[in-house]
Amino acid sequence: GENVEQHPSTLSVQEGDSAVIKCTYSDSASNYFPWYKQELGKRPQLIIDIRSNVGEKKDQRIAVTLNKTAKHFSLHITETQPEDSAVYFCAASTGYNAGNMLTFGGGTRLMVKP
Amino acid sequence: DVKVTQSSRYLVKRTGEKVFLECVQDMDHENMFWYRQDPGLGLRLIYFSYDVKMKEKGDIPEGYSVSREKKERFSLILESASTNQTSMYLCASSLEGFGANEKLFFGSGTQLSVL
Repeated sequence: GENVEQHPSTLSVQEGDSAVIKCTYSDSASNYFPWYKQELGKRPQLIIDIRSNVGEKKDQRIAVTLNKTAKHFSLHITETQPEDSAVYFCAASTGYNAGNMLTFGGGTRLMVKP
Repeated sequence: DVKVTQSSRYLVKRTGEKVFLECVQDMDHENMFWYRQDPGLGLRLIYFSYDVKMKEKGDIPEGYSVSREKKERFSLILESASTNQTSMYLCASSLEGFGANEKLFFGSGTQLSVL
């Protein structure tokens, strides 16, 4: 089955700096890659996703890049702010239906120091 | 706004007890999921359901069962709780069809401690 590895497990940056979280996946058939953000004590929420037919997607200060050949994808956060502090999870699946289960990475705790 | 409600935020049970975790969603979503969240392991799928009375095993179904008698409600059952089932349990739902695996809406979670 699919295996998703996420690095680093913790990341501390200064406010205003950029943060990059990387994930690798094992199943070359995977074609959907979402990122979820979980603030302390709150529920995970989808922040951005990318499909395998594109290499990059941006939404304001966040962007995701995908390298299908190397089987890795990354989350980039620019101009970090204290409210970006949270645990971020990457995930991968081989399709869009419920039967194509999402496999999550282990999570990255991002701390943005003011 | 989609609301996924888990009945308990914190739960303490004893080894061997039968435990019910309840989840209700109010957006008429076909798909419902139960995940377990442990530090460093991310979210792992226990079971999911794509319709009433339908269920499919996820990655770690052992020691768990589920029930979906109504579309809006999905229950996770621990037949005989064990200490290694101490964890945060997250329920989620999503819409059917193209994109069903997309945009999961999560509940706030139930932190279960088995003593």
